[in-house]
Amino acid sequence: TQLLEQSPQFLSIQEGENLTVYCNSSSVFSSLQWYRQEPGEGPVLLVTVVTGGEVKKLKRLTFQFGDARKDSSLHITAAQPGDTGLYLCAGDVGAQKLVFGQGTRLTINP
Amino acid sequence: KAGVTQTPRYLIKTRGQQVTLSCSPISGHRSVSWYQQTPGQGLQFLFEYFSETQRNKGNFPGRFSGRQFSNSRSEMNVSTLELGDSALYLCASSLDANRGKNIQYFGAGTRLSVL
Repeated sequence: TQLLEQSPQFLSIQEGENLTVYCNSSSVFSSLQWYRQEPGEGPVLLVTVVTGGEVKKLKRLTFQFGDARKDSSLHITAAQPGDTGLYLCAGDVGAQKLVFGQGTRLTINP
Repeated sequence: KAGVTQTPRYLIKTRGQQVTLSCSPISGHRSVSWYQQTPGQGLQFLFEYFSETQRNKGNFPGRFSGRQFSNSRSEMNVSTLELGDSALYLCASSLDANRGKNIQYFGAGTRLSVL
């Protein structure tokens, strides 16, 4: 069974601070996706990383895929209240199936 | 282009009843996947349909079933509801999850409460 361990599960910081969320597994993924979910809504895709060592930037968000394609991180610089939400990583394990981490509930306080 | 549409948004049922949830994928998307999201277990894969055929199934009991129509719309059915079936049920569509990157786009979900 492929598992994705996401940490931390909860994070509450002040506006302007930096943070990093981690997604780790012992399995290799063909790709890994990051989603953000707002209350009462479905997850919205932020980014997909495919190549080991790949780094993608989305404004203040930086995503990195581990060299071995087993782990990933999401770094947010100068967090803003609008970044508040549930962040989910999901690994593509083939056979039309995504395996999700438990999520990181992020709260940015003004 | 319209996104993934799920109906209804909210449902309240009692134990023992059955329920049918509906999902209309993004136009042109032929793969539809279903997930159950609970606070304790997170997002768990239920099953995936492509061209009216179930291609993959998660570890859920047979009470959970689904189907896909020729227009790619999909339904999932849960029979003999249990309290533990209370969850947010999410549908996701993709062009063809079997080829290349498995990029899925999610609907807003159906919140099912079983009393």
